[in-house]
Amino acid sequence: QVRLQESGPGLVKPSETLSLTCTVSGGSIRSFYWTWMRQPPGKGLEWVGYTYYSGGTDYNPSLRSRVTMSVDTSKNQFSLKLSSVTAADTAVYYCASMPVEKVRGVIMVREANYWGQGTLVTVSS
Amino acid sequence: DIVMTQSPDSLAVSLGERATINCKSSQSVLYSSNNKNYLAWYQQKPGQPPKLLISWASTRESGVPDRFSGSGSGTDFTLTISSLQAEDVAVYYCHQYYTTPLTFGGGTKVEIK
Repeated sequence: QVRLQESGPGLVKPSETLSLTCTVSGGSIRSFYWTWMRQPPGKGLEWVGYTYYSGGTDYNPSLRSRVTMSVDTSKNQFSLKLSSVTAADTAVYYCASMPVEKVRGVIMVREANYWGQGTLVTVSS
Repeated sequence: DIVMTQSPDSLAVSLGERATINCKSSQSVLYSSNNKNYLAWYQQKPGQPPKLLISWASTRESGVPDRFSGSGSGTDFTLTISSLQAEDVAVYYCHQYYTTPLTFGGGTKVEIK
């Protein structure tokens, strides 16, 4: 079973860059798309984006200009960087795995099946 | 973007009674190439990450009690809890993974009456 653990600062100042890492165990970093979701306190879930070990990425258009994701296969980790943060970026950030399948030559990402416990990031001075 | 609309926002059901949650997508999430609905249901309890209950609109994950069932196709979906148990108190989300940006419904809070 894949296990995921988020790590990173719990407090980030406005206008700075939020940086989180997700460590993967129990599965190959090459086997899934790796995704970040977030959930503001008391609110619903938002997809931030996903990345693949080969470097492919797709980001939520609402965040695209500020998001960078990458995979470090040597450490079995993937990361999220979100720049120019504001209070609106305060949320619990989850990392998760998404299996992929090929359907008639088209790569389709599946549902997020394994999730980390989440880490609360507060944006405040 | 595909907008996912859940109803109701909350519901209170007596123990042992049926709970029904609806989810409507603004466009079809049925992929014609494999005739699968790219729709999942998650359960989230306070302080915990979402737990995957159902994928492909109606396929229960391993270990999920059979009182949970999913149905629907195209744009209209339903999650049913056939006999509500105390441990089912949670917020339930529908989620489309058909296309990016991936999107979620606003959530339905299920409580005991």
